[in-house]
Formats: sequence, C-alpha cells, structure tokens
Amino acid sequence: EVQLVESGGGLVKPGGSLRLSCAASGFTFGGYNMNWVRQAPGKGLEWVSSISSSSSSIYYADSVRGRFTISRDNAKNSLYLQMNSLGVEDTAVYYCARETGISYWGQGTLVTVSS
Amino acid sequence: DIQMTQSPSSLSASVGDRVTITCRASQGIGNHLVWFQQKPGKAPKSLIYAASSLQSGVPSKFSGSGSGTDFTLTISSLQPEDFATYYCQQYSRYPLTFGGGTKVEIK
Repeated sequence: EVQLVESGGGLVKPGGSLRLSCAASGFTFGGYNMNWVRQAPGKGLEWVSSISSSSSSIYYADSVRGRFTISRDNAKNSLYLQMNSLGVEDTAVYYCARETGISYWGQGTLVTVSS
Repeated sequence: DIQMTQSPSSLSASVGDRVTITCRASQGIGNHLVWFQQKPGKAPKSLIYAASSLQSGVPSKFSGSGSGTDFTLTISSLQPEDFATYYCQQYSRYPLTFGGGTKVEIK
C-alpha cells in the first residue's frame, strides 16, 4: 500500500523557517517524481514545488522561489521542503504528492505563520 | 502558465443524478489531466489520470473524457459518499496548475 506521511508542520512567526518531511513507503520511491502542494484554509489547491526522481530537475512556483528548497533522499525514502522567510500567506496544509500527474497524496501537515 | 477553468464552481444534485463537471485549459495539454475528489478535512484522492483512465480502486461510476483543451468528469449515479469538491490538474508543463474546484452539494 502506498503511504506518504508528512511531518514538521506547526506554528511559526513571520520571517521564520520550517522544514517539512515526507516519509514514503509501499512503492519504489526513487522511481518517481515528487511534489509539494499546499491548500490555504478554505481555498483551492496550489502547486508549490516538484523534484525529479534523481533530483536532476527541480521546479518552484513563483510565490516560493528563492525562499523554499525541495530535496529528497532516495536511500531514506524521504522528501523534504525547507521553508525560509515565511509569511502569513504561506499558512496552509502542505501535502506531499507522488508523480507529476498526481496519483497519491499524503494526509498533509498544517503550517501556520502568525505572530 | 496554463490556466485551468472549472465549471460550474458549485452544483446541487440529488442521489441518483448524473453529474458532469468540465475543465478547460487555456492552451492544449494533450491528455495530461487528472481529476481529484476532496472531502472536508481530508486529503485529495486521485480518481482519473491521463484524462480518461481510472485510478486503481476507483469505482466505475466515475469517468473522464476529453483532450486538448476541454475535459469532463462524469459521475453516472451520484451517491451520498460522492458529495465533495472535485478538482482537475494539468501536468503537461510546469508550473503544474489546478482548476478552482467544483463543490457538489446535496439538493
């Protein structure tokens, strides 16, 4: 069974940093592109970042480029999102998702940016 | 960026109704489209990939069609568990983009 489990969310002050993790199991993690997608409270889905299976290609939404860094460790079956210079507009549930045409989602982790 | 426009943004329907949701891309995306279902407080669930292929384990009452710029998701006979918000997503090119969602409510 495919499982994606996010962790690392929480309350952070504006300007602060947070590192999200996603632990994958039930499939060959190193064979798939991976993504972070977020959803602000009461809003729709917003793509944040993607990384190819070998980390050779990385993409970011304009809204996070220069502040967020996606990475992965295929040996540990893990995906990461380092988030710096957080603003209130980054408040959202962050989902880890498999494949460019998303096939599986994690349960999400809530990031709240507030003073 | 490719804009994805869903319509309607919401609809009211009865159990047993046939429901159709449309998604239009601002430029051609081939068949690089997926559909998701999301219930309140839950993660999205993938229903359809490559515009018309059913994800494993998804009941056959869900179907997708279209290519290029115009796509549809059809629920053949709406059941209580189908009341949710539905989203489309294109994966033809980056940035990946989503439709604004269609909320299916009980009439």
